[in-house]
Amino acid sequence: EIVLTQSPATLSLSPGERATLSCRASQSVSSNLAWYQQKPGQAPRLLIYDASNRVTGIPARFSGSGSGTDFTLTISTLEPEDFAVYYCQQRGNFGGGTKVEIK
Amino acid sequence: EVQLVESGGGLVQPGGSLRLSCAASGFTFSSYSMNWVRQAPGKGLEWVSYISGSSSTKYYADSVKGRFTISRDNAKNSLYLQMNSLRAEDTAVYYCARDRRGSYFLDFQYWGQGTLVTVSS
Repeated sequence: EIVLTQSPATLSLSPGERATLSCRASQSVSSNLAWYQQKPGQAPRLLIYDASNRVTGIPARFSGSGSGTDFTLTISTLEPEDFAVYYCQQRGNFGGGTKVEIK
Repeated sequence: EVQLVESGGGLVQPGGSLRLSCAASGFTFSSYSMNWVRQAPGKGLEWVSYISGSSSTKYYADSVKGRFTISRDNAKNSLYLQMNSLRAEDTAVYYCARDRRGSYFLDFQYWGQGTLVTVSS
């Protein structure tokens, strides 16, 4: 079973700052990794698939990188609506999430 | 527009059963694999089960194997989750989610709004 470990658990930043979120897989998942955003009371929203491909309609400030076991989601300039919880996922495995909160 | 609408959640006693439904619209249902994903109160996401478009392939999380059964009716554009022998730890919001790309088990582009299942005496 593949375990996805996200870090940090919480990221405290101000609007306009850059956010860097990490997801590490216990074994190689090639590029088969996705990122989701979830806001309170809402369903998750797919942001990035295949490690680096942005879903249509997702702002360009969101980018994904990595392959194998180490992946990164970067939000280049945080907007107020970006404060949320972010999850990485590979098939039937989700990471524990990173909460991006307002500092 | 793709829409997924879950129903069937509610309060059930430990050991009881419940059947969740997910009504799909806006896409060719039989062409896409579907999933159930749950989220316990205040916790992260947990994948529960997968079913291919033709129902030929099904997967379950270890935590529900032998207790939950996923199924679909392509004629009715509907997905189901039969949950038996429910435990307190099954308490969660249950989402149905559609695979992004056909009948592959990759990532989930469309999600329903979720239905709450509470297991308590």
